Parts: sequence; C-alpha cells; structure tokens
Amino acid sequence: RKEVEQDPGPFNVPEGATVAFNCTYSNSASQSFFWYRQDCRKEPKLLMSVYSSGNEDGRFTAQLNRASQYISLLIRDSKLSDSATYLCVVNMLGEYGNKLVFGAGTILRVKS
Amino acid sequence: SAVISQKPSRDICQRGTSLTIQCQVDSQVTMMFWYRQQPGQSLTLIATANQGSEATYESGFVIDKFPISRPNLTFSTLTVSNMSPEDSSIYLCSVGRDLYEQYFGPGTRLTVT
Repeated sequence: RKEVEQDPGPFNVPEGATVAFNCTYSNSASQSFFWYRQDCRKEPKLLMSVYSSGNEDGRFTAQLNRASQYISLLIRDSKLSDSATYLCVVNMLGEYGNKLVFGAGTILRVKS
Repeated sequence: SAVISQKPSRDICQRGTSLTIQCQVDSQVTMMFWYRQQPGQSLTLIATANQGSEATYESGFVIDKFPISRPNLTFSTLTVSNMSPEDSSIYLCSVGRDLYEQYFGPGTRLTVT
C-alpha cells in the first residue's frame, strides 16, 4: 500500500463547477497534512495546510478525518486558472526523523 | 517565503558523467532538502542537506551516487554521479523554516542519454 494515495484523475470540469479530491494516508501517527499545487513543468507550491477542524481559504476547503485517515480538498466555483495537479502531502516519521511524503497527484482540468 | 534559484535549469548529459546542481536561497534557512520527480510521478525525498555535517539520505539513495554539500545556510549542491538514463528526472531543492511548510526551487530538468 502506498503511503499517500490519490485518485490520479484527470478531473475534467466546467468553469464554475465544484470539485472534490480525496487522499488517504497509511500512517495513523501522522500529524501534519498539506495540499500543494503543481502547474505543468513548474515546481510545487503550498496551497494550504489541513487542520483537524477543517479550514477554508476563499474557494478552497480542506478537511481531515483522522479516524479514516482521509484528507479532502474542495474547490468551489472553479476557474480556468485552477487547472493544475494537486498533491496531497503528509508528514510521516522516517528512518531519520520526520519527512514530507507526497502523493502522486490529482490532475484537474477546468474548461470553459 | 524565500526566493530560491537553481542552476542549471536543464541539462542533457551523457551516461557515465556527473552533474552538480546548485541551490541558492536569498535568506538563511534552517532546513534544505533535495527531491527527485521522475516523469509522471510525484516527488521523492533524496536527502536532507545539513549545514556543517553530512547529509541525511533516505532509503534507496546513497552518498556515493548523490553527494551533497551545504557549506552555509543559503547554499547547497547536489551531484548526480556516474549518470545513467534512469537518472533522467527533475531535481528540486526545497527550503523551510521548519519541516512542515516547504518552498521549492524551480527545479533542474536532467536528461541522460
């Protein structure tokens, strides 16, 4: 089982749609969770951290379910500029200490 | 967030040769990391670059293949040694005030022929 699993997509949605991505992680001891965004041929950029109580940043809402080891990202009112790969990232304890483990990403394509 | 630059941005190298990638940050940072992103895949941590001491490598990565230097708090290098086509990848450095929020350089796109 992969440490962080995501549906690779692609998710093809029209502008204005609401879309949700899911992510599961294997290590129940993980404490920190993030969503990164990666545009084509660019470096990943931090989109938002995910807090236990859930958090919202404009059109983006992140949720964490520790019991199910599940993280979600909801995007409302999708824009063309939201087209990107969304990476689920989990802090895990490695051999030498904590490290970030990246999922393979979910591709989102927003079309006009 | 810090401004991070990497050199070179891309290179095409012959098998058996080595390439050194530089990562420069515009401010002092505690933590620097090197990742690899192979075509169509996500990021894999190669090592943590420790200032003034040896890098800490993840399972599957060894110092002889990927020697790393970090002479100060704003600069690090990663060398890909004795390259083979399987080393073709994007190599990214990242920095962070702590482990939890990392910022990535633009990456170095390496093709080994």
